[in-house]
Amino acid sequence: LAKTTQPISMDSYEGQEVNITCSHNNIATNDYITWYQQFPSQGPRFIIQGYKTKVTNEVASLFIPADRKSSTLSLPRVSLSDTAVYYCLVAVYNQGGKLIFGQGTELSVKP
Amino acid sequence: DAGVIQSPRHEVTEMGQEVTLRCKPISGHDYLFWYRQTMMRGLELLIYFNNNVPIDDSGMPEDRFSAKMPNASFSTLKIQPSEPRDSAVYFCASSSELTGAEQYFGPGTRLTVT
Repeated sequence: LAKTTQPISMDSYEGQEVNITCSHNNIATNDYITWYQQFPSQGPRFIIQGYKTKVTNEVASLFIPADRKSSTLSLPRVSLSDTAVYYCLVAVYNQGGKLIFGQGTELSVKP
Repeated sequence: DAGVIQSPRHEVTEMGQEVTLRCKPISGHDYLFWYRQTMMRGLELLIYFNNNVPIDDSGMPEDRFSAKMPNASFSTLKIQPSEPRDSAVYFCASSSELTGAEQYFGPGTRLTVT
């Protein structure tokens, strides 16, 4: 069965680049990898999604190696407002379209 | 669009009572998801619908939980009877695709069962 693994927590300082890696074994070749951000008392919010190689949008980049067994969310120049929990989500077609969230990485950005 | 709407935002009930959570997805979205979030278990997918039809309910904890989607603009998650271990935040989300498109989450319903 597919499973996702993320670090429980990370600390950073304002202005630094933060990289959060999610390991996902057994995902099929056509599974998307999606990352969400969640602030306290709010629902998760979409950040970025990728299928292979590299994807970049206005807030983040997503790096996916050729074997697709992991993915790395990169947040450039974080600010205090980036303090949140970050989840990776894998859609697993070979398990009947199951959606599996990672346990989340709590990012704390300090001044 | 107002986004995904959930009600109530907070619910406090006594063990044994029936609880009904409500969700209005974004218009035009064909997929609706119900999630539960707790400190211990994180974010769990309970069930999802495609075009009002339940597709995967393998995440529903037990027979006390049931979900319906009578039309494209409304869904309910019912717990009967409720138990203290059901205390959690329940999120509803909708999307235009199962994957390949972002899910839009509602603000959640915080359920406390005493």
